[in-house]
Amino acid sequence: EDQVTQSPEALRLQEGESSSLNCSYTVSGLRGLFWYRQDPGKGPEFLFTLYSAGEEKEKERLKATLTKKESFLHITAPKPEDSATYLCAAMDSNYQLIWGAGTKLIIKP
Amino acid sequence: GAVVSQHPSRVICKSGTSVKIECRSLDFQATTMFWYRQFPKQSLMLMATSNEGSKATYEQGVEKDKFLINHASLTLSTLTVTSAHPEDSSFYICSANTGTFQETQYFGPGTRLLVL
Repeated sequence: EDQVTQSPEALRLQEGESSSLNCSYTVSGLRGLFWYRQDPGKGPEFLFTLYSAGEEKEKERLKATLTKKESFLHITAPKPEDSATYLCAAMDSNYQLIWGAGTKLIIKP
Repeated sequence: GAVVSQHPSRVICKSGTSVKIECRSLDFQATTMFWYRQFPKQSLMLMATSNEGSKATYEQGVEKDKFLINHASLTLSTLTVTSAHPEDSSFYICSANTGTFQETQYFGPGTRLLVL
C-alpha cells in the first residue's frame, strides 16, 4: 500500500539552529514529491516539486532533496517566521497525491 | 502567479441549511480543481476531483449527494454542503492546476465551516 510518513511530528528549534525534516515514501511509480508549508488556518503554500532521485531545490533557507526512498527538507539558520507545518505529498503512478501527516516546526527566538 | 481564492473564508450556519463555497483561480485557467477536507491537527483528505464541464469524481466514502461540486468554468468551482450537520464542521480547502498530470496543485486559503 502506498504510504507517506513524515518525521518528526513536531520539532522545536532555537533561532539559527539548522535541522532537517524527513518524508519517507513507499509509492509505486513515483511521479513527483511535493513539499508545502501550511500556516494555522490557511491553505498549504507550495514550496518545491522534486521528480527524480538526486534532485535538489533551494529557496531562501530551505533546501529539498530526494532519494529513492525519502525526501529531506533542510532548513538552515531558521527564523521564527519559518514556524509552520510542513507537508509532503508523493504522486503515484495513477497521478494521485498521497499526503504525509506533516511536521510542525516551531522556531523559538 | 498561480493564485487561488476561496469565498467565504469562514461561515457559521444552522443545522439543516446548505452552504456554498466558491473556489476561483485568479491568474490561470484551472482545468482540474480539487476539494479537500482537513480536521484539526490532521493532514489533507481529498474529497473529490473536478474537471471543467464534467462531473466530479468523488473519493470513496464521500457522499456526492451531500457534497455537490460544480466546475462550471475554467476559473470557478463550487462546493455545496447540503443539509449541513455539526459533523460537517471542518476546514475545506480547494486547489487547482492546469490539468497537466504532474502539475503542481496550488491551494486556496481555505474555508472554515461551523454548523451549529
